[in-house]
Amino acid sequence: DTGVSQDPRHKITKRGQNVTFRCDPISEHNRLYWYRQTLGQGPEFLTYFQNEAQLEKSRLLSDRFSAERPKGSFSTLEIQRTEQGDSAMYLCASKRTGENTIYFGEGSWLTVV
Amino acid sequence: AQTVTQSQPEMSVQEAETVTLSCTYDTSESDYYLFWYKQPPSRQMILVIRQEAYKQQNATENRFSVNFQKAAKSFSLKISDSQLGDAAMYFCASTIARNFGNEKLTFGTGTRLTIIP
Repeated sequence: DTGVSQDPRHKITKRGQNVTFRCDPISEHNRLYWYRQTLGQGPEFLTYFQNEAQLEKSRLLSDRFSAERPKGSFSTLEIQRTEQGDSAMYLCASKRTGENTIYFGEGSWLTVV
Repeated sequence: AQTVTQSQPEMSVQEAETVTLSCTYDTSESDYYLFWYKQPPSRQMILVIRQEAYKQQNATENRFSVNFQKAAKSFSLKISDSQLGDAAMYFCASTIARNFGNEKLTFGTGTRLTIIP
């Protein structure tokens, strides 16, 4: 069990550019979550998948954000036309349906300059 | 909607002493779970302890225990025999329990715990 893996760990981008983050969940975890965490705050829910189906999206997920999990394994989170307010850590987490514990990755830090 | 409140932005404790971190929550659900997560600097968030709302007995994991007061909607974490490795940001979180599985977590703003050698 290698844990939840996220890539890249750090990304600095210019305002207006697009960025994509990848998450590889723990093997056989059918639920996958994305959270956003800004400095001094707790993580905030963005969206989650049950296998390849995106079941819920937060109002925080504007039109510039899109998440996919095409084969029910890894997931990507793309942010288009980045803004300075997008600067945050993007956390991925996964769990197996029927279990109560969600496992987190180390996060992907985004800095928009 | 669920809300989680942590009123202590920072706490410190002498090594080997005991410290209690506070958390209150609000929910209209009758069945839910409560969690304490630990986030060390630049490291991933890990689960410290979990409490099912329907269980009256307080959860315990080695040096970590909770004081779950359902009527008061309070869920505090006690760390006994504090160690340097306990230094981290601690988040209280809640989730609704549906069909064995829980969905999204709602987090508090965290408490930064410092251990004084």
